[in-house]
Amino acid sequence: QKEVEQNSGPLSVPEGAIASLNCTYSDRVSQSFFWYRQYSGKSPELIMSIYSNGDKEDGRFTAQLNKASQYVSLLIRDSQPSDSATYLCAVNMEVRTGGSYIPTFGRGTSLIVHP
Amino acid sequence: DARVTQTPRHKVTEMGQEVTMRCQPILGHNTVFWYRQTMMQGLELLAYFRNRAPLDDSGMPKDRFSAEMPDATLATLKIQPSEPRDSAVYFCASGLVIDTEAFFGQGTRLTVV
Repeated sequence: QKEVEQNSGPLSVPEGAIASLNCTYSDRVSQSFFWYRQYSGKSPELIMSIYSNGDKEDGRFTAQLNKASQYVSLLIRDSQPSDSATYLCAVNMEVRTGGSYIPTFGRGTSLIVHP
Repeated sequence: DARVTQTPRHKVTEMGQEVTMRCQPILGHNTVFWYRQTMMQGLELLAYFRNRAPLDDSGMPKDRFSAEMPDATLATLKIQPSEPRDSAVYFCASGLVIDTEAFFGQGTRLTVV
């Protein structure tokens, strides 16, 4: 069973701090990795994509990828109360042998940023 | 403003009734996914299409669920007959090509009583 694992949290951080969200995945050949943010009652919103080992920065967000360790992380700098949401890690995995690579989601980590 | 559009946003129905959910993918996207989200299971893939052809629907209960894409601007997910355990939020997502980002619609919140 191909899986994406996340700590469900909640992760609670004070306003202005760095929030660190982690994700591991089981499929060694996966090449595409994504972070989505989902507010309560809303749909997942893509916030970061990463395809190569290393760091990718976009504003206050940094995605980190280590394919050898099968590990993806998301750092949120200067966390704001508006960042409070569930963060979903998605990894494109082969649905069946010889099939296409499809976004497979973790259960998400709930982030709470308190003033 | 390119977005995936789903209808209806909310649906309450009685057990045994047919439910049809519709999705309009982003114009130009050739890949469409149907996901179901519950508290217990998270986001589960039900089916996906590429260039309107169904590539995999192994995530769906075949006896009651069906997914189709009658044209490039419309994907449908049908449940017949519906059961209380089908209560969930159903998301449609589309992507430009396989193995890249998927963009989600607003979802259909289904309640079967």
